[in-house]
Amino acid sequence: EAQVTQNPRYLITVTGKKLTVTCSQNMNHEYMSWYRQDPGLGLRQIYYSMNVEVTDKGDVPEGYKVSRKEKRNFPLILESPSPNQTSLYFCASSYQAREYEQYFGPGTRLTVT
Amino acid sequence: GQQVMQIPQYQHVQEGEDFTTYCNSSTTLSNIQWYKQRPGGHPVFLIQLVKSGEVKKQKRLTFQFGEAKKNSSLHITATQTTDVGTYFCASRDDKIIFGKGTRLHILP
Repeated sequence: EAQVTQNPRYLITVTGKKLTVTCSQNMNHEYMSWYRQDPGLGLRQIYYSMNVEVTDKGDVPEGYKVSRKEKRNFPLILESPSPNQTSLYFCASSYQAREYEQYFGPGTRLTVT
Repeated sequence: GQQVMQIPQYQHVQEGEDFTTYCNSSTTLSNIQWYKQRPGGHPVFLIQLVKSGEVKKQKRLTFQFGEAKKNSSLHITATQTTDVGTYFCASRDDKIIFGKGTRLHILP
């Protein structure tokens, strides 16, 4: 089954404790992206990757890191999480950029205390 | 940077009534994509519009892209309870800019 998977689905952590949210897709997609969703703010792009070893900042990259060492994986790293990073995070992938539909993962709800 | 404004933020309709959400940009858009997110779920792609003045239909849903490619709309005819959710538009280049979404509530 074609899908985007994220882990963990739920995470409660404390300020400053490094964490990684994994994202994997099995559709051989070149484009992958991370979003955060907050009430009233919609979906905001954090980082995106056009292909392996190519990553770029979205609209809200501060406090996040990503890497794209393999085509299928695109982990999101929070080196020193803060409470303002409490949010619902979605990973998404598409065949390529621009005129292709995105497939979203199920989401990761992160709480930073 | 580019922004996509979406209105209204919320809409309550009686089942069977029509619903419309609008997206507007101050700059010309390459394309516009529409997504639906059910409560507790993830966004799901509905459609993409690319051409000036383009109109596409999916059963009770009608999508339009303005002549100047600066605005778009999604219209649902005779809403049903299955239409409940949040509808997002998105402008897609290498970066992707989403509107803030319109949350649709259906009153039985």
